[in-house]
Amino acid sequence: EAQVTQNPRYLITVTGKKLTVTCSQNMNHEYMSWYRQDPGLGLRQIYYSMNVEVTDKGDVPEGYKVSRKEKRNFPLILESPSPNQTSLYFCASKGLAGEGVSYNEQFFGPGTRLTVL
Amino acid sequence: GQQLNQSPQSMFIQEGEDVSMNCTSSSIFNTWLWYKQDPGEGPVLLIALYKAGELTSNGRLTAQFGITRKDSFLNISASIPSDVGIYFCAGPGGGFKTIFGAGTRLFVKA
Repeated sequence: EAQVTQNPRYLITVTGKKLTVTCSQNMNHEYMSWYRQDPGLGLRQIYYSMNVEVTDKGDVPEGYKVSRKEKRNFPLILESPSPNQTSLYFCASKGLAGEGVSYNEQFFGPGTRLTVL
Repeated sequence: GQQLNQSPQSMFIQEGEDVSMNCTSSSIFNTWLWYKQDPGEGPVLLIALYKAGELTSNGRLTAQFGITRKDSFLNISASIPSDVGIYFCAGPGGGFKTIFGAGTRLFVKA
């Protein structure tokens, strides 16, 4: 089954304790991205990656790091989490070949709910 | 930077009613996307629009790409309880970014 998986699904941590949220896709997609969802703000893009070893900032990258060492994986790293990073996080992927829906449609993971105390 | 304004923020409707929501952009778009997020899940693409004036349907859903290229509309006809969720508009955010609106939360009463 084609899917994007994220782990963990739920995480409660304390300020300053480094954490990593993993994301993996099995669709051989070039493009992967991380979003955070907050009430009233919709989805805001944190980082994205066009392919292995190619990453770029989205609109809210402060406090986050990413890496893309393999095509299927795109982990999100919070080196020193703070309470304002409490949010619902989504990983997404899409293919870049061709035009139309196949180019633009992003497939989302189930989300990771993070609470930073 | 670019912004997408969605309205209304939320809607409470009776089953069987038609629904209309819209999205406006601060700049011209060449693509409009509409996603739906079911409770507890990630968003799923409903409809993609690529041309000004384009009208596209997906079952009971119809979306239109505004002539000015700064707006888009999503209509749902004869709503049913499973239409409950958050509807997001989205589009290119410059470079290879994607920007999303804040969402319209739909509640359907059976």
